[in-house]
Amino acid sequence: DTAVSQTPKYLVTQMGNDKSIKCEQNLGHDTMYWYKQDSKKFLKIMFSYNNKELIINETVPNRFSPKSPDKAHLNLHINSLELGDSAVYFCASSPSGVLVETQYFGPGTRLLVL
Amino acid sequence: EDQVTQSPEALRLQEGESSSLNCSYTVSGLRGLFWYRQDPGKGPEFLFTLYSAGEEKEKERLKATLTKKESFLHITAPKPEDSATYLCAVRMNRDDKIIFGKGTRLHILP
Repeated sequence: DTAVSQTPKYLVTQMGNDKSIKCEQNLGHDTMYWYKQDSKKFLKIMFSYNNKELIINETVPNRFSPKSPDKAHLNLHINSLELGDSAVYFCASSPSGVLVETQYFGPGTRLLVL
Repeated sequence: EDQVTQSPEALRLQEGESSSLNCSYTVSGLRGLFWYRQDPGKGPEFLFTLYSAGEEKEKERLKATLTKKESFLHITAPKPEDSATYLCAVRMNRDDKIIFGKGTRLHILP
């Protein structure tokens, strides 16, 4: 069974469109994340949710809006897509606790904006 | 400024040729340092977490060590299947943020 899954795997769209990426984890974790990996493979955190509450919100354009309907899901909605949004978007999850938790990543969604 | 720097950017080794990857960090208050492996077209896969200077962890041909300023990922007698990008990440006490390095692309030649 896939621990962290993302849909779609590939997304090709035109500039100006609105799109969503879905993420689900079946690990029972409390915390979920969205990362962006650019063409140079640099991985940068965008958002983090803990039990459906936003806890990390990096400097990301407000065209990006995360939504967490429950603690197993964290979706990413992107409005008015721009060329620079082309990247691979990874969802991740981790348990919460006293010790520093490790993160489990999904397979990624490859977004190409034309 | 909080920063994580990995070196070298890329490394080519012959099978069996041991080496080390470096991750140096300048952050205020380290909560934990992580090593991940990323294969092409896939998400990062967790390898190790290190919490304090002096700590070491091992898994098969990999050994991670931590000092107050840097971490090393030692690869002993690597095999072609160890070829991947190795990512280092740091989680900070201050605001719980996570910073990734740019990774080291490791290629092991048979």
